[in-house]
Amino acid sequence: AQTVTQSQPEMSVQEAETVTLSCTYDTSENNYYLFWYKQPPSRQMILVIRQEAYKQQNATENRFSVNFQKAAKSFSLKISDSQLGDTAMYFCAFMKPPLDSNYQLIWGAGTKLIIKP
Amino acid sequence: DSGVTQTPKHLITATGQRVTLRCSPRSGDLSVYWYQQSLDQGLQFLIQYYNGEERAKGNILERFSAQQFPDLHSELNLSSLELGDSALYFCASSERHNEQFFGPGTRLTVL
Repeated sequence: AQTVTQSQPEMSVQEAETVTLSCTYDTSENNYYLFWYKQPPSRQMILVIRQEAYKQQNATENRFSVNFQKAAKSFSLKISDSQLGDTAMYFCAFMKPPLDSNYQLIWGAGTKLIIKP
Repeated sequence: DSGVTQTPKHLITATGQRVTLRCSPRSGDLSVYWYQQSLDQGLQFLIQYYNGEERAKGNILERFSAQQFPDLHSELNLSSLELGDSALYFCASSERHNEQFFGPGTRLTVL
């Protein structure tokens, strides 16, 4: 069974610093999808970034980028120039190749990120 | 705004009661997902529907049931409510294997 592990329950950094959140997963699949979601204090779930396993290039969205290491089954999220608005819970999620329209995500437990002024 | 709507926003009820949560997916999305998030906890996947049919099932209690209607909106029914059912219930929708877009959630309080 696939599992997703986020080993850092909580992290805090100063504003404008760079922070990296770790995520590892376990799967025997070759093609799959990985996601990072953030949940700010408003509790709204917001997609941060998405990566397809068949793509070697790491996904980037403005200040957010990933380090995808397929062989190591690692999918870390780097936030550059962190801002107070980045304070949130961050969840890593895994989707195996869809079969019969089953698009279920396997979720990590989350990392609470606090950006200090 | 994700395009996913959920009603009601808040719901307060008593133990033993039954409630229905409603979700309208983004236009064109055939998949609907239901999640439960207790206070300061992660997401617990409950169930997924695709174009009206159940496609995946997670840790959904027998007291809970869901369905997706021909117009693609979905309802989550929670019955014989217990104090421990108090949580934030999210609905999400997606287009095939792409990212899931989440609604604002329904906060259920069972007294």
